[in-house]
Amino acid sequence: EPEVTQTPSHQVTQMGQEVILRCVPISNHLYFYWYRQILGQKVEFLVSFYNNEISEKSEIFDDQFSVERPDGSNFTLKIRSTKLEDSAMYFCASTKGWIATNEKLFFGSGTQLSVL
Amino acid sequence: DAKTTQPNSMESNEEEPVHLPCNHSTISGTDYIHWYRQLPSQGPEYVIHGLTSNVNNRMASLAIAEDRKSSTLILHRATLRDAAVYYCILRDARYNNNDMRFGAGTRLTVKP
Repeated sequence: EPEVTQTPSHQVTQMGQEVILRCVPISNHLYFYWYRQILGQKVEFLVSFYNNEISEKSEIFDDQFSVERPDGSNFTLKIRSTKLEDSAMYFCASTKGWIATNEKLFFGSGTQLSVL
Repeated sequence: DAKTTQPNSMESNEEEPVHLPCNHSTISGTDYIHWYRQLPSQGPEYVIHGLTSNVNNRMASLAIAEDRKSSTLILHRATLRDAAVYYCILRDARYNNNDMRFGAGTRLTVKP
């Protein structure tokens, strides 16, 4: 079965540094998402992306965050100046179509970001 | 999207059926009921979804009450691999937001 792949599985960074998390969505999917999960808490929606534009974002997704599809296969989440509270598991997901049409979300295994 | 209420945790025995409840008393006629689960150290995965009628797939069954104010995810024969957090999410098909928001879910423990 096709899957969403995320690299690296674990990233350690210093506070204030920029970090880029990478994802390869399923190849025929057109809609891409980032979620995060702080240890022991719920999975939180960050942003959805389609056709090179953000289609939805949460209140968490502030100016410190950006997303990009730099080529035909990768989807990235950049955090410009990491804070301690950005430490979390970050999940990438993709869907073939718009979620409102009841498309299934396919998630990657996540990147554990540790900010020291 | 309307709110859902799930128990924080449930336990079951291996090879027995599990019924995971979800209350959604403010559900609207256009709310679909989605279930996802999150196995330990993994991302969430889709389980099943439905609108009014009961649904079955290879993973589970979804039983929807006649008034749609509650639903139950049924795992017919729990295995140790089914130990996970199960999320019940309502998604209104009318709304154009392209997001799916997760609540706290029910943590299912399966005992051997």
